[in-house]
Amino acid sequence: AQKVTQAQTEISVVEKEDVTLDCVYETRDTTYYLFWYKQPPSGELVFLIRRNSFDEQNEISGRYSWNFQKSTSSFNFTITASQVVDSAVYFCALSEGRGGSNYKLTFGKGTLLTVNP
Amino acid sequence: DTGVSQDPRHKITKRGQNVTFRCDPISEHNRLYWYRQTLGQGPEFLTYFQNEAQLEKSRLLSDRFSAERPKGSFSTLEIQRTEQGDSAMYLCASSSGQLYNSPLHFGNGTRLTVT
Repeated sequence: AQKVTQAQTEISVVEKEDVTLDCVYETRDTTYYLFWYKQPPSGELVFLIRRNSFDEQNEISGRYSWNFQKSTSSFNFTITASQVVDSAVYFCALSEGRGGSNYKLTFGKGTLLTVNP
Repeated sequence: DTGVSQDPRHKITKRGQNVTFRCDPISEHNRLYWYRQTLGQGPEFLTYFQNEAQLEKSRLLSDRFSAERPKGSFSTLEIQRTEQGDSAMYLCASSSGQLYNSPLHFGNGTRLTVT
């Protein structure tokens, strides 16, 4: 069975601070995909990144960076120089790779990030 | 790309009533998904369509729930004899079957309150 754990329920930072959101996952599959989604107060889930299990290269996109470590089953997300607009709930999710289908996303419970001015 | 559209945004109903939600996916997406999200939790998978075929239903989807996707375009999710435990945000998502493991694009959701 798949499981995603986001141990941090809420994080509060002051603008311009760096913040890391933790994600630990469990799966029996050797092929799987990991995702991060952002859910602002408007409610829409916004896709941020997808990473497959064979690609452990870290990725940076502007102020966002992701650190994937299979050895610790973690896929952590760092926001550098946080801004008030980054305030949202962030979800980490996992899907199995069998058959090329990603429909069964298993989400963590989310981390509420509040960035204060 | 107008995004995934869901209607209505909010629905308040009395216990025992039937409700129906609609989802219009991104036009070129042939895959459509329904998820449910309760307060403080991540979304949970309910069901999945590829074109008009419903390929999988979660055990979370009781017999009171039914989803359709006629002609492989929009989809409806109906809940019969609603219960207070059905109160949640119902999220629809779509993805392209052309790209291997393409990401899901979610709509704004329909928030259901059963009184």
